[in-house]
Amino acid sequence: DAKTTQPNSMESNEEEPVHLPCNHSTISGTDYIHWYRQLPSQGPEYVIHGLTSNVNNRMASLAIAEDRKSSTLILHRATLRDAAVYYCIPLRGNFGNEKLTFGTGTRLTIIP
Amino acid sequence: EPEVTQTPSHQVTQMGQEVILRCVPISNHLYFYWYRQILGQKVEFLVSFYNNEISEKSEIFDDQFSVERPDGSNFTLKIRSTKLEDSAMYFCASSRQGRGTGELFFGEGSRLTVL
Repeated sequence: DAKTTQPNSMESNEEEPVHLPCNHSTISGTDYIHWYRQLPSQGPEYVIHGLTSNVNNRMASLAIAEDRKSSTLILHRATLRDAAVYYCIPLRGNFGNEKLTFGTGTRLTIIP
Repeated sequence: EPEVTQTPSHQVTQMGQEVILRCVPISNHLYFYWYRQILGQKVEFLVSFYNNEISEKSEIFDDQFSVERPDGSNFTLKIRSTKLEDSAMYFCASSRQGRGTGELFFGEGSRLTVL
């Protein structure tokens, strides 16, 4: 499995954009980059995923470096509800095997 | 919005007892998973299940653990003889697609406390 490196923690002010970085320099060419988050006392929640191109959805944007060795999750306007641990997870495209390998992630604190 | 539901939310058991954790995945999903998270530690993969058989299991998923889908809707995790170190939050998840492109939907978890 590809190794990932994320900051242990980050802080952001409410209603400001947040950029959460992830290094995944050993990612293989067929690994997707998934981001999940875990709100306090809840199960993990899917945020977004991508392969090569930048991706947007209603929750966030994902910017993937051209060499795919890093990516950045962008929350455009953080709310208090976005306080969570964010996990960057490379995932092989194996059939029927969504074996997510969670690291320690980045704990995001939102300051009101 | 469809969701994965898990019962019980919290179970306390004595060491050596059998425990069954239950999950109702999202109805049109085909792939099912159990993960666990010991307090203060990472979320760990236990097992994936597709087409009524185990697709992959981790080293944690030893002979004390088993999974089944008895009635086409429930997906259960059984721990035959619980140990203190089995105390954790157990998360069920399901997904519609494989091939590393589908998102997993997780339940709220079942907290298991082994005394």
